Amino acid sequence: GQSLEQPSEVTAVEGAIVQINCTYQTSGFYGLSWYQQHDGGAPTFLSYNALDGLEETGRFSSFLSRSDSYGYLLLQELQMKDSASYFCAVNQAGTALIFGKGTTLSVSS
Amino acid sequence: NAGVMQNPRHLVRRRGQEARLRCSPMKGHSHVYWYRQLPEEGLKFMVYLQKENIIDESGMPKERFSAEFPKEGPSILRIQQVVRGDSAAYFCASSMDRDRAYEQYFGPGTRLTVT
Repeated sequence: GQSLEQPSEVTAVEGAIVQINCTYQTSGFYGLSWYQQHDGGAPTFLSYNALDGLEETGRFSSFLSRSDSYGYLLLQELQMKDSASYFCAVNQAGTALIFGKGTTLSVSS
Repeated sequence: NAGVMQNPRHLVRRRGQEARLRCSPMKGHSHVYWYRQLPEEGLKFMVYLQKENIIDESGMPKERFSAEFPKEGPSILRIQQVVRGDSAAYFCASSMDRDRAYEQYFGPGTRLTVT
């Protein structure tokens, strides 16, 4: 079967750093994507890791360890607007994405 | 606006009626995906289509649900004889090609309510 596990909720304060972990069990793994969704709106693509290591995109970074079936999204210099749901998703051999249940991030001042 | 477009944004149907959800992919994209999302849940894959072809429908319920992506016009997700359990947000996404399936662009979704 296929499954992705991520924490359901994370809280942090403005300016802090937060890490959202994702572990997965799947076949035909090609890579791990991260998406952000505000208030049930359109999910937006944040980053993708196909190889082990860290990918940095501005305040957001994403990490992958294929041997551990593990990845994380790192958000730095948190802002109130970062309050949203964050989903990890597995890309399987060019087919659709398999999404985790999402992590709700609440940023307070 | 060259983004993914979905309509209607909200749809109310009585039990037993049909629901038709439309999706126009981003300009230049020919790969379309449909997902369903329940409150407080992740997105569940339903079907993956390319122009005139269904590539993967492994997430689609066997009965009452169908999808198409004709040569001309939007992709359509059709739900026949809707039941209360079909109430959900349905999102469409598109990608440039199969190799970039990891980077999908989503529409605003259609909120289906079955009364």
